[in-house]
Amino acid sequence: DVKVTQSSRYLVKRTGEKVFLECVQDMDHENMFWYRQDPGLGLRLIYFSYDVKMKEKGDIPEGYSVSREKKERFSLILESASTNQTSMYLCASSYETRAIMTNEKLFFGSGTQLSVL
Amino acid sequence: AQSVTQLGSHVSVSEGALVLLRCNYSSSVPPYLFWYVQYPNQGLQLLLKYTTGATLVKGINGFEAEFKKSETSFHLTKPSAHMSDAAEYFCAVASSGGTSYGKLTFGQGTILTVHP
Repeated sequence: DVKVTQSSRYLVKRTGEKVFLECVQDMDHENMFWYRQDPGLGLRLIYFSYDVKMKEKGDIPEGYSVSREKKERFSLILESASTNQTSMYLCASSYETRAIMTNEKLFFGSGTQLSVL
Repeated sequence: AQSVTQLGSHVSVSEGALVLLRCNYSSSVPPYLFWYVQYPNQGLQLLLKYTTGATLVKGINGFEAEFKKSETSFHLTKPSAHMSDAAEYFCAVASSGGTSYGKLTFGQGTILTVHP
């Protein structure tokens, strides 16, 4: 069965800390995504990656960075955590070639609930 | 740019009643449309999707949705609600133009409550 695994289910950090959220997929997918989910706002795209070492900003990249050194792993980094980054973070992956728009579905992890105090 | 609006952040129905969750989209190119469901403490799962072809799309668990281009809508329905349908539902749109890498724009979500 396909799997997207996020390293932590719950995380509590202090303001100003550097925070790493890790995501691993075992499906050899090219594309990986980081969304944050907030009540009443739905899911908003932070960053995505369509290949190793490639990344693009999503709709709300401010205060975040990402790293994709290996195909299966996509990390979200909060350089200096702030209270307004308290949220549920969802990682997702998909397979889609550049040449063909297949629009295969996204596979989601279970999420990391981050609290910044 | 594309966007999605889900009408109603909370919908409450009785078990056995019709479920109707509303979704309107805007897109400058023909859209690909999706409904995802999120059960408590879980990630999102795909219910159904429309890409091309038949405008009435059937998904898992008895759900279906109809793409209406003239109304820019993609409402989700189920004839008879079950207690296990209680969850949060998200409508999403992807661009069919260019290469989107499967990037989706989501609506705000609708929490469905089912009463006995």
